[in-house]
Amino acid sequence: EAGVVQSPRYKIIEKKQPVAFWCNPISGHNTLYWYLQNLGQGPELLIRYENEEAVDDSQLPKDRFSAERLKGVDSTLKIQPAELGDSAVYLCASSSLTGGPAEQYFGPGTRLTVT
Amino acid sequence: AQTVTQSQPEMSVQEAETVTLSCTYDTSESDYYLFWYKQPPSRQMILVIRQEAYKQQNATENRFSVNFQKAAKSFSLKISDSQLGDAAMYFCAYNGAQKLVFGQGTRLTINP
Repeated sequence: EAGVVQSPRYKIIEKKQPVAFWCNPISGHNTLYWYLQNLGQGPELLIRYENEEAVDDSQLPKDRFSAERLKGVDSTLKIQPAELGDSAVYLCASSSLTGGPAEQYFGPGTRLTVT
Repeated sequence: AQTVTQSQPEMSVQEAETVTLSCTYDTSESDYYLFWYKQPPSRQMILVIRQEAYKQQNATENRFSVNFQKAAKSFSLKISDSQLGDAAMYFCAYNGAQKLVFGQGTRLTINP
């Protein structure tokens, strides 16, 4: 079974430029998460999807961040414009149980560097 | 809001020895899950062990076991017979109402 796939693995951009990250969850997993992980810190939830609905986006900085999950499968996270402080690893995770705690499976992450 | 605290930023252990990583959490919920995740230098986060709060018996997975003290809100991870492949960042995490909250992590070094 394929795991959570993320691309690109690394991205370097100049500040004020846009950037997008893509995530393909494990087949059949209806719940998808985007996390932000700063260096030396634990991941912090940005947004959680149940199928195509964003059910928890309270930590997503909506002035510059946006996300979508069309057809309840793949998801894209976008930053526009990027700031120096956005340099971090962006992790995608998925799980299969709706309505209760479940094991989350993580992708390898996208390491973003904003110069 | 739930919080998770890992008070040991770094730990080291000799190969084949036993090491314990500490974790405390704060919550007002009665039903929740606790996890230990491992993140090797390649950064793929993988689940090591989980504990349901309503279960009194401590979870065990091969060389990994936990000491769950619900009243004290403590959830430590014991790694027995440490191996070089155990070197990684270890994150304690709390999951109540579908939201996974992570601690700051403990970097574990295995000395050969």
